[in-house]
Amino acid sequence: DVKVTQSSRYLVKRTGEKVFLECVQDMDHENMFWYRQDPGLGLRLIYFSYDVKMKEKGDIPEGYSVSREKKERFSLILESASTNQTSMYLCASRSPGQGASYTFGSGTRLTVV
Amino acid sequence: TQLLEQSPQFLSIQEGENLTVYCNSSSVFSSLQWYRQEPGEGPVLLVTVVTGGEVKKLKRLTFQFGDARKDSSLHITAAQPGDTGLYLCRGGSEKLVFGKGTKLTVNP
Repeated sequence: DVKVTQSSRYLVKRTGEKVFLECVQDMDHENMFWYRQDPGLGLRLIYFSYDVKMKEKGDIPEGYSVSREKKERFSLILESASTNQTSMYLCASRSPGQGASYTFGSGTRLTVV
Repeated sequence: TQLLEQSPQFLSIQEGENLTVYCNSSSVFSSLQWYRQEPGEGPVLLVTVVTGGEVKKLKRLTFQFGDARKDSSLHITAAQPGDTGLYLCRGGSEKLVFGKGTKLTVNP
């Protein structure tokens, strides 16, 4: 089974800090995604990546950046954390082919104070 | 932008009851998936449907893809407390279009 590992389950950061959220997958998938999940808003796509060093903006990229230096690792960066970035962050990896399945990490619950 | 509407948004039932939740769109999808997310965890894939009219069963869960591939339903028979969670549907291709989910609570 594909495993997607997010480095932290819970994080508390101060406003203005630079925050790194790490995600690693072990199945050599090319496609990886970062979402945030908020009550009443569902899953919203922040960034995705089709391959190493490639990235595409999702629906809500403002305030975020990403890094994909190696195929297995996709990092989400909050350049200057703000309280409105308090959320559950979910990383996903996608298998190839029609009806491709997505495997999610367990999530990182980030609180910005 | 493709949108997926899920209903109901919340559902609270007693153990042993049956239920159906829905996922609807005005867009046609090549495939549709259902996920279950338990509190504090990421979503986990339950099933993928790809053919219009397709029905898939997973123990007490029955998934149906609409003939026009614009909608889907999930029926649970004799719900159990372990079925509690957020049920998400997902369609589309590149950008992972998710519905907002149905939050199901099954009370013992």
